Amino acid sequence: QVQLVESGGGVVQPGRSLRLSCAASGFTFSDHGMHWVRQAPGKGLEWVTIISFDGSSTFYAESVKGRFTISRDNSKNTLYLQMNSLRAEDTAVYYCAKDPGYSSSWQGRFDPWGQGTLVTVSS
Amino acid sequence: EIVMTQSPATLSVSPGERATLSCRASQSVRSNLAWYQQKPGQAPRVLIYGASTRATGIPDRFSGSGSGTEFTLTISSVQSEDFAVYYCQQYSNWPPLTFGGGTKVEIK
Repeated sequence: QVQLVESGGGVVQPGRSLRLSCAASGFTFSDHGMHWVRQAPGKGLEWVTIISFDGSSTFYAESVKGRFTISRDNSKNTLYLQMNSLRAEDTAVYYCAKDPGYSSSWQGRFDPWGQGTLVTVSS
Repeated sequence: EIVMTQSPATLSVSPGERATLSCRASQSVRSNLAWYQQKPGQAPRVLIYGASTRATGIPDRFSGSGSGTEFTLTISSVQSEDFAVYYCQQYSNWPPLTFGGGTKVEIK
């Protein structure tokens, strides 16, 4: 079955960097766009970014634009999120999620989700 | 940006009762709306997409309706495993993809 496993979370000081990974299995990774969605403690869901099936296109939420970079390695079935200039307000559980659309036909929804990895930005 | 508003914030129901959750979009999203369920300590999972299509494996007590700006998620007879937070999400006009603030369904 489809499995998404995030890693790389932890405690980081404000202004520092962190890279998250999401290992995918159970589906043809290179056929699908992939998202990152985050959830601050006790809060709702916030979409962060999407990357196309081939990595040629990306979009970002305004709150992270210019600081976060999404990328993927289809040979390793792995999605990444490079987070720079981290702020306290970036503290959240970060989920990766598969877009159900195939190839260039993004749907813009999330199915399924990984279990998430917690990022805490604190001095 | 399309703003999604869910009501009520908390819904108290007894097992076996019907639960009706609402979601409103600030502009038309046609039928490009999904519902997710999130239990404590777990990732969200999709229940409904296309406003009314149940995702694979979702029990038929869950149903979605609406189009344009007004949507409803109905649980026909709430079971113990249904107590959770429910989010709506639009995927009509993006980026950004946007979620409602959630409705918590709790035991009455």
